[in-house]
Amino acid sequence: SAVISQKPSRDICQRGTSLTIQCQVDSQVTMMFWYRQQPGQSLTLIATANQGSEATYESGFVIDKFPISRPNLTFSTLTVSNMSPEDSSIYLCSVALRVGTGGDWRGQYFGPGTRLTVT
Amino acid sequence: DQQVKQNSPSLSVQEGRISILNCDYTNSMFDYFLWYKKYPAEGPTFLISISSIKDKNEDGRFTVFLNKSAKHLSLHIVPSQPGDSAVYFCAARGWYGQNFVFGPGTRLSVLP
Repeated sequence: SAVISQKPSRDICQRGTSLTIQCQVDSQVTMMFWYRQQPGQSLTLIATANQGSEATYESGFVIDKFPISRPNLTFSTLTVSNMSPEDSSIYLCSVALRVGTGGDWRGQYFGPGTRLTVT
Repeated sequence: DQQVKQNSPSLSVQEGRISILNCDYTNSMFDYFLWYKKYPAEGPTFLISISSIKDKNEDGRFTVFLNKSAKHLSLHIVPSQPGDSAVYFCAARGWYGQNFVFGPGTRLSVLP
């Protein structure tokens, strides 16, 4: 498994401001993702953070609102820009690791999450 | 359209008994499935997985069953313990994608 840490663990922000969330992994990983879990909802994938290139965003999410950086194989940031109360959510960093003797990378692990409240 | 469904938002079970959590999916392209457990204020923790070439996978107290024709999988926890109380997510992915689609979760309460 991987040890994944996120900063901050929680924050309360004002409408219109931006917050950058950091994700640090204790080993080099190829696949890194950012998820959102809104109150009472399941996990929703925001984007795949690609090392050395632009992130790949899912339908409904755009780079201007959620810019992502991935400078190396152990670190990524997600910025929530121009926040509104609808952005109040838990944001989770996730990595995919190889599992099993066959080298299948389909195991996926999550950080503790960042609880964001926008007032 | 919700591709992964967990129709029971909550489940209560007596300690020592079996917990059965159910998950249904609609996309026939899904070929790999995971179960996660999530405690409050923590990220999801991987529990057990199953590939579509199998119909059962067992790991200690946890067993996952897959019925491909019914597009249904279930997680059995035997015996249930109070520490198992958490929200359980079912997740699925197809061969074409790099990431998983999650169900809405089922909150399991194991009563002492």
